[in-house]
Amino acid sequence: AQTVTQSQPEMSVQEAETVTLSCTYDTSESNYYLFWYKQPPSRQMILVIRQEAYKQQNATENRFSVNFQKAAKSFSLKISDSQLGDTAMYFCALMDSNYQLIWGAGTKLIIKP
Amino acid sequence: NAGVMQNPRHLVRRRGQEARLRCSPMKGHSHVYWYRQLPEEGLKFMVYLQKENIIDESGMPKERFSAEFPKEGPSILRIQQVVRGDSAAYFCASSPSPPDTQYFGPGTRLTVL
Repeated sequence: AQTVTQSQPEMSVQEAETVTLSCTYDTSESNYYLFWYKQPPSRQMILVIRQEAYKQQNATENRFSVNFQKAAKSFSLKISDSQLGDTAMYFCALMDSNYQLIWGAGTKLIIKP
Repeated sequence: NAGVMQNPRHLVRRRGQEARLRCSPMKGHSHVYWYRQLPEEGLKFMVYLQKENIIDESGMPKERFSAEFPKEGPSILRIQQVVRGDSAAYFCASSPSPPDTQYFGPGTRLTVL
């Protein structure tokens, strides 16, 4: 069975600091996709970043970047220059060959002013 | 381009009643996915539909739950004879075709009294 594990239930950092959220996964498939979504207090699920497993280059989107370690099955999210608006639940997700998204339990990130 | 639309946003039902949740995908998207989120948990896949076809319903409970995506109109998730354990947030996502990124609607929060 494929699984996604987020080992940090909650994290808190000061505004403008850099924070890294951890995610590990398990899959027997060779081709898959990884995602980070954020869920702010509005509860809307918003895409942060996407990584194709066949790509060695780590994905980046402005202040958000990932550290994708395929052999270790690790997919961490780094947020640089954190802002108050980054406060949210962050979910790591794996898309399998059935095109289902398999989700971690989430990390609650609080950015303090 | 309007995003994924879901209605109603909040739905209250008494035990034994029926709940109908609607999802209109983004323009140009013909693939729809339903997920359920219990309080303090990540999302769980329920069903994947393409126009007029159920592609994968492996995450859907065998009884009381059904889904459709007709040729015209929104996708419908139907829960018959609701029980308290059905209380959750139900999210719909759409994509042009897999493995494209899934974009989420705002969710429907179902409360069963």
